[in-house]
Amino acid sequence: KQEVTQIPAALSVPEGENLVLNCSFTDSAIYNLQWFRQDPGKGLTSLLLIQSSQREQTSGRLNASLDKSSGRSTLYIAASQPGDSATYLCAVLLDSTLGRLYFGRGTQLTVWP
Amino acid sequence: DTAVSQTPKYLVTQMGNDKSIKCEQNLGHDTMYWYKQDSKKFLKIMFSYNNKELIINETVPNRFSPKSPDKAHLNLHINSLELGDSAVYFCASSQTTGGMNTEAFFGQGTRLTVV
Repeated sequence: KQEVTQIPAALSVPEGENLVLNCSFTDSAIYNLQWFRQDPGKGLTSLLLIQSSQREQTSGRLNASLDKSSGRSTLYIAASQPGDSATYLCAVLLDSTLGRLYFGRGTQLTVWP
Repeated sequence: DTAVSQTPKYLVTQMGNDKSIKCEQNLGHDTMYWYKQDSKKFLKIMFSYNNKELIINETVPNRFSPKSPDKAHLNLHINSLELGDSAVYFCASSQTTGGMNTEAFFGQGTRLTVV
């Protein structure tokens, strides 16, 4: 059974800081890993998708890395802004034909001015 | 132009009632899902349909019945609602065949409150 853990559970920082959010998973035989953002009362927005054969993906100030063999991924947020405040969720896909995602419990990020 | 849309966004109802949540995706994906997010914000899959066929059916009370009239729609009907059904229900879709990009897209969620 796949278990996904995210550390820290919550993070509060002043704007401008560079941040690292961690995600670990127990079954390293993943197909891909996806990072999402969830704003209060809203849905999940896909941020980055990393295929199992990739080491990292970048989008703007976001960079996600994947170390499949050790069961870890990190989401790096550069020069954080108050608008980055949200819950960040990590999810792994084991079987591409099923499409089922296993989620972590998220990191709640607050960036204050 | 919303990719995955679900209605209603909020649903408040009394115990014992029957309610439905509707979901539609315009991404051309072949697979749709229902996830439940509990009070501790943990997301867990309930059902998935691939081209109108039930693929995943987690340990969910049979009061929950998904229905997929076509591959762009997946509805969730809940009978005899209980207090413990209060949660946020998310619809999602992805492409699971053809070796294509399997990125999943989610709707905005339906917050169900049973009183």
